[in-house]
Amino acid sequence: GIQVEQSPPDLILQEGANSTLRCNFSDSVNNLQWFHQNPWGQLINLFYIPSGTKQNGRLSATTVATERYSLLYISSSQTTDSGVYFCAGPANTGTASKLTFGTGTRLQVTL
Amino acid sequence: DTGVSQDPRHKITKRGQNVTFRCDPISEHNRLYWYRQTLGQGPEFLTYFQNEAQLEKSRLLSDRFSAERPKGSFSTLEIQRTEQGDSAMYLCASSLGFNGYTFGSGTRLTVV
Repeated sequence: GIQVEQSPPDLILQEGANSTLRCNFSDSVNNLQWFHQNPWGQLINLFYIPSGTKQNGRLSATTVATERYSLLYISSSQTTDSGVYFCAGPANTGTASKLTFGTGTRLQVTL
Repeated sequence: DTGVSQDPRHKITKRGQNVTFRCDPISEHNRLYWYRQTLGQGPEFLTYFQNEAQLEKSRLLSDRFSAERPKGSFSTLEIQRTEQGDSAMYLCASSLGFNGYTFGSGTRLTVV
């Protein structure tokens, strides 16, 4: 199966700062998704982004499928952005419904 | 619709006992997934249903694990003869086709 690498593994930001999280895949993917897991464990789907760029408020994501990476941008970070950010994607062929998750980026936003 | 519901939220069981978890997906979603997450790791795929058909099972799903989705609605995940290594968060998600997943809040299992 595909390998998913996320960087950085840990990130500490002061409130108001911007950041970029990166996700690299070992093989071409479609149906790439970004999730935020809050401190209570709830996984929230942020973006379904097989290619191109999408924006939702202070968050935006860009996927370059041909180069096997995706970026998540967080602008004007807030303490509520704290948690773990996961990217996930299935292989391009075969079991397209099965997501493989990265190990996550743990973000802490401080006052 | 209130999203994906999982029950119970927490379960503590003695080693060797059987446990069953329930997942109610978003009603219009035809796909339902079970994942398992251990501390510090991303979720790992266990199994997936399209309507009532179980289309794929991970090698992680030993013979002690069984999942059902009767009538393509709610799903149950049963673990027989639980072991301490089964302790984890069990997550259910649903989707409409290949669109984005919606996850439930999970069931945290502790085997003592």
